[in-house]
Amino acid sequence: AQTVTQSQPEMSVQEAETVTLSCTYDTSESNYYLFWYKQPPSRQMILVIRQEAYKQQNATENRFSVNFQKAAKSFSLKISDSQLGDTAMYFCAFMKDNAGNMLTFGGGTRLMVKP
Amino acid sequence: SAVISQKPSRDICQRGTSLTIQCQVDSQVTMMFWYRQQPGQSLTLIATANQGSEATYESGFVIDKFPISRPNLTFSTLTVSNMSPEDSSIYLCSVRGWLGETQYFGPGTRLLVL
Repeated sequence: AQTVTQSQPEMSVQEAETVTLSCTYDTSESNYYLFWYKQPPSRQMILVIRQEAYKQQNATENRFSVNFQKAAKSFSLKISDSQLGDTAMYFCAFMKDNAGNMLTFGGGTRLMVKP
Repeated sequence: SAVISQKPSRDICQRGTSLTIQCQVDSQVTMMFWYRQQPGQSLTLIATANQGSEATYESGFVIDKFPISRPNLTFSTLTVSNMSPEDSSIYLCSVRGWLGETQYFGPGTRLLVL
């Protein structure tokens, strides 16, 4: 079974600064996907970024980028130029590369962006 | 990405009653899932809703408590039966598209059981 660990329950950052959220996972699979989801106070789960394990290049989406270290089973999220709207819970998630497989979530990191 | 709606968005229910939550997607999808998010917690998969067959439940969840229907490729329901205060949670529907690479979530149903 897969496990996903987020070691930082809460973090804060000043507006316009950069922050990195950590995620580690454990799996015996070779092919899989990793995700970061954002959950603002509205409780909507929003996909932030996705990484395919077979791709060496780190995924980037505007101000969001990941540092994917497959050997270390690490998948951190970097948010650049933090904005007040980035305040939310952030969940790291794992999905096996197999039809029908569900997401396994980490415990979440609550990020507060301060003005 | 798929557009997903859930009804109701929130409800307050009395213990011992049942509530059915609907999930509607704007396009046909291969897989639909139901998750539970208890207060202050992460998301836990309840079951995979299979079109035309019985749902596949995760450990700790049973069909008698959480019956699920999926009559077609765009719609599913989750019923929370014989509710107790411990069932107070957010229930989220998610879908996996035809390419199978991403899951998208509905807005969730916030349930409070008194």
